[in-house]
Amino acid sequence: QMQLVQSGAEVKQPGSSLKVSCKASGGTFITSAITWVRLAPGQGLEWMGSIIPLFNRANYAQNFHDRLTFTADESTGTAYMELSSLGSEDTAVYFCAGGDWFREPDYYHCPMDVWGQGTTVSVSS
Amino acid sequence: QSALTQPASVSGSPGQSITISCTGTDNDVGGHDHVSWYQHSPGKAPQLLIFDVTKRPSGVSNRFSGSKSGNTASLTISGLQAEDAADYYCSSYRATNTYVFGRGTKVSVL
Repeated sequence: QMQLVQSGAEVKQPGSSLKVSCKASGGTFITSAITWVRLAPGQGLEWMGSIIPLFNRANYAQNFHDRLTFTADESTGTAYMELSSLGSEDTAVYFCAGGDWFREPDYYHCPMDVWGQGTTVSVSS
Repeated sequence: QSALTQPASVSGSPGQSITISCTGTDNDVGGHDHVSWYQHSPGKAPQLLIFDVTKRPSGVSNRFSGSKSGNTASLTISGLQAEDAADYYCSSYRATNTYVFGRGTKVSVL
């Protein structure tokens, strides 16, 4: 079964950008979709979006207002999440989650079967 | 992007059964079968308990079961154990091309 290992904790200044990595092992990256989810203090899980590396096709949650970019490197089996113009409200634990995507009649389903360990991000001046 | 509605907390005694509800709309829970449930303890990665409304991944205890009626999905934990104390989240596909989580339910074992 696929395992996901994320990059380490980050402390960022307001207005800066964040890039978190998520490396897959033990599975087939090419058949996987990677979803990014965050958990802010006192809040619930928040879906940020998904990417299917095979097609380089990404969907983003609208409330990130174009601050969010997903990329994937098939050669290393690593997905990346980049979030710009950070504010204190972006302080959270960021998770990647993966599973084998499959085609539904009008969308690609991106399961969240296995999860990374999480990356703690603090945004503070 | 409004979250699915879950009770903030549910509690039960060891051995009892509890049920957590997850209410959405025709655009998510009611209109699609990609409803999942996750267990999350602080400092750990969330764990998938149920997918596609009723299916259990291998390795997940059969004490966890899922169902759906209309716009409401439910997770039942039978034979409640101390180790079940955690936060539980539902998620659903929501038209179009997005997913949504519930706000989470804190389960306490009395």
